[in-house]
Amino acid sequence: DQQVKQNSPSLSVQEGRISILNCDYTNSMFDYFLWYKKYPAEGPTFLISISSIKDKNEDGRFTVFLNKSAKHLSLHIVPSQPGDSAVYFCAARSEGAQKLVFGQGTRLTINP
Amino acid sequence: IAGITQAPTSQILAAGRRMTLRCTQDMRHNAMYWYRQDLGLGLRLIHYSNTAGTTGKGEVPDGYSVSRANTDDFPLTLASAVPSQTSVYFCASEHSLGRQPQHFGDGTRLSIL
Repeated sequence: DQQVKQNSPSLSVQEGRISILNCDYTNSMFDYFLWYKKYPAEGPTFLISISSIKDKNEDGRFTVFLNKSAKHLSLHIVPSQPGDSAVYFCAARSEGAQKLVFGQGTRLTINP
Repeated sequence: IAGITQAPTSQILAAGRRMTLRCTQDMRHNAMYWYRQDLGLGLRLIHYSNTAGTTGKGEVPDGYSVSRANTDDFPLTLASAVPSQTSVYFCASEHSLGRQPQHFGDGTRLSIL
């Protein structure tokens, strides 16, 4: 049972445009959500997070939106740059729990 | 530079052999984790440790064991490797106070033949 789902295995975006990566979850107990970025042959690196008490968190070119009623979150990258090409994982955590549940990942390719 | 070190970076292993993947962190984080990454499945938690001396099972613990003798080290052992354990293994750590993101090592690519 996949509690965190990223239904798009891959996404291709032109440089300078907006990239939107989506993530759905099923567990209503999740109250903290994170996005990680992963380059080949490296470990995932933390990108941005959001608590369930918020619906938006912004950090430079990266914005995460949370829609609790739809159990959906998205990561917006604008403008997209070639260095953003990587695999992006969303992850979620329940209140009081330390363990993260990860989605399958979306491979983002930024085309020049 | 503070962080997580995993060793080896890659390994080819015959089925049935014993293998220990090493993980060391120098950030004095309380909690440590082992994940495996498989195509189409994302990262799945194998075992975790909330603090030195304690361990717990994750989502896919069968065939793996861990120990946490001290804060810095969290080795993962495959007692008798099988081909389905071919994967990329990531170790992670985090400070357990508050909502902190996990920090990951660069992974060990393990192939079981």
